[in-house]
Amino acid sequence: DTGVSQDPRHKITKRGQNVTFRCDPISEHNRLYWYRQTLGQGPEFLTYFQNEAQLEKSRLLSDRFSAERPKGSFSTLEIQRTEQGDSAMYLCASSWTAGVPGELFFGEGSRLTVL
Amino acid sequence: AQKITQTQPGMFVQEKEAVTLDCTYDTSDPSYGLFWYKQPSSGEMIFLIYQGSYDQQNATEGRYSLNFQKARKSANLVISASQLGDSAMYFCAMRDHGSSNTGKLIFGQGTTLQVKP
Repeated sequence: DTGVSQDPRHKITKRGQNVTFRCDPISEHNRLYWYRQTLGQGPEFLTYFQNEAQLEKSRLLSDRFSAERPKGSFSTLEIQRTEQGDSAMYLCASSWTAGVPGELFFGEGSRLTVL
Repeated sequence: AQKITQTQPGMFVQEKEAVTLDCTYDTSDPSYGLFWYKQPSSGEMIFLIYQGSYDQQNATEGRYSLNFQKARKSANLVISASQLGDSAMYFCAMRDHGSSNTGKLIFGQGTTLQVKP
């Protein structure tokens, strides 16, 4: 399968623990996005990369959140000192610059539950 | 501020019939893009259709069409000949202000569609 893959699909953690999510985009895509989706809501933009450069971060991305894309391929999203309010689905998407801006290819998401 | 509004939390449609999912938007930008995505229970968001603000004709993609009424700021999704596999959550989205060439999108709250056999 050559789609966007995310790992883990589900993560249950205790408040205060650190968690890390990984996203492998479609190989020829140079743009990678992270979105967060809470229950019953639409996704909210968190951050995006073009190649290895993080070009934009949302105000939603507090200093407990850090995202990286070190070699311009896969990306990681780390949440430090998790809080119950961090419980959500974290969606990764990728696209290429030649495509329609906004036509994103999403993974199936990583669902985080903070107890 | 930019905003997407989907006023129908849930919709039912009989298999093989057509259904319209409503979406209104608010923006002061003259150039913008509107999108519809489908989210099945698996969680993966699937791109369905795109409409640019300067496009003269309504977008169509197979059984999906976008009823774009610029003056009313509406971008309703029409699904023709509904199938059981169309049961999912549907999101309307707009490119964020100042993000004309990126995938930074603002999403509505979604509409759950259930197709009855």
